[in-house]
Amino acid sequence: DIQMTQSPSSLSASVGDRVTITCRASQGIGNDLAWYQQKPGKAPTRLIYAASNLQSGVPSRFIGSRSGTEFTLTVSSLQPEDFATYYCLHNFNYPRTFGQGTKVEIK
Amino acid sequence: QVQLQESGPGLVKPSETLSLTCSVSGASISSHFWNWIRQSPGGGLEWIGYTSYSQGSNYNPSLMGRVNISTDTSKNQFSLQLTSVTAADTAVYYCARARGYFDSLDYWGQGMLVSVSS
Repeated sequence: DIQMTQSPSSLSASVGDRVTITCRASQGIGNDLAWYQQKPGKAPTRLIYAASNLQSGVPSRFIGSRSGTEFTLTVSSLQPEDFATYYCLHNFNYPRTFGQGTKVEIK
Repeated sequence: QVQLQESGPGLVKPSETLSLTCSVSGASISSHFWNWIRQSPGGGLEWIGYTSYSQGSNYNPSLMGRVNISTDTSKNQFSLQLTSVTAADTAVYYCARARGYFDSLDYWGQGMLVSVSS
């Protein structure tokens, strides 16, 4: 199975901050990675697919990028509605595996 | 707009079988890949498996042969069965769609908490 190592597990930030979350794959997965946002009591919603493609309707402050087996989700200017938990998911092969999650909290 | 909705018992006894159904609207169950995912109380997400009308099913080896996912095209639904459950199977269970074999999950149900307890 491909292991997805996500960091940090949590972070505190203020509105307007630039925030970066990273997922590293245990092997090459090309661009086969998606990012999800989850709010308490709700299902995850997809923000980014194929490493850097913005899901329709998602604000452009969410940016996905890739360098080798390291993937990054950047929120360019954190908004109040962005405080949530974020997960990565690889879709290179089966079984699919998720990162451990990053909880973004208000500083 | 694709919508998914989980249903089934919220409480299952240890050693029994967990059975959930996902009702789909806005897309045909005969197309795409239909998945189950669960989230433990600690927060981690685990992919359980998928079913596809044309390509069959595929399951997470971690579940050691306890899982079966099937489709009911007449009702546009798909179902999860997990046998011999223990407290470790207590989780929120989600159904979700992937457009194709190589795609990530795009539409999710709202999730359903299933507790395993006597």
